Amino acid sequence: AQKITQTQPGMFVQEKEAVTLDCTYDTSDQSYGLFWYKQPSSGEMIFLIYQGSYDEQNATEGRYSLNFQKARKSANLVISASQLGDSAMYFCAMSNMDSNYQLIWGAGTKLIIKP
Amino acid sequence: DVKVTQSSRYLVKRTGEKVFLECVQDMDHENMFWYRQDPGLGLRLIYFSYDVKMKEKGDIPEGYSVSREKKERFSLILESASTNQTSMYLCASSLQDRVPYEQYFGPGTRLTVT
Repeated sequence: AQKITQTQPGMFVQEKEAVTLDCTYDTSDQSYGLFWYKQPSSGEMIFLIYQGSYDEQNATEGRYSLNFQKARKSANLVISASQLGDSAMYFCAMSNMDSNYQLIWGAGTKLIIKP
Repeated sequence: DVKVTQSSRYLVKRTGEKVFLECVQDMDHENMFWYRQDPGLGLRLIYFSYDVKMKEKGDIPEGYSVSREKKERFSLILESASTNQTSMYLCASSLQDRVPYEQYFGPGTRLTVT
């Protein structure tokens, strides 16, 4: 069965420090995609970054990077130089390319940035 | 920019009422989704649709139905609301044939059933 696990229910990080949010996944498919979304207190889900299972390079988008370790089945999100506005819930999700309409979601990590 | 709108941000209904949650997207996306979000459980898929008048059950369809009469609009219906349907409801849309198939979300509707 496909599954996403986020083991950190909550994290506190000092402003300007880097932060790593953990995500492990379980799938028997060779072709899949991994996503990170941010959900501020306003409620809207914001797409951050994507990594395809065949991508050799780790994905980066501004201050976000995805540390993709295929053998370990992990897809951790790294936020460099954290800012107060990064305080939010963060969700890891996976899509199976054979059923590309659906995402499988982790339970989320609540990140709080301390000034 | 992709815009997904939901008819209400907050809604309070009584047990047994019929509830309609509306979702509209303006980017001609083929796929549309309804999720509910509860603390500690992440997002759970209720229904999705990949075309007009087409619908597929997600993980938790019981107690819900959907309607997609037009491409841009996807409605979630609670036939007889119950207190265990108190939750945050999120609508999303995505393109069908473009990797990475990321989903774009509306602002959510926080539904309380009393």
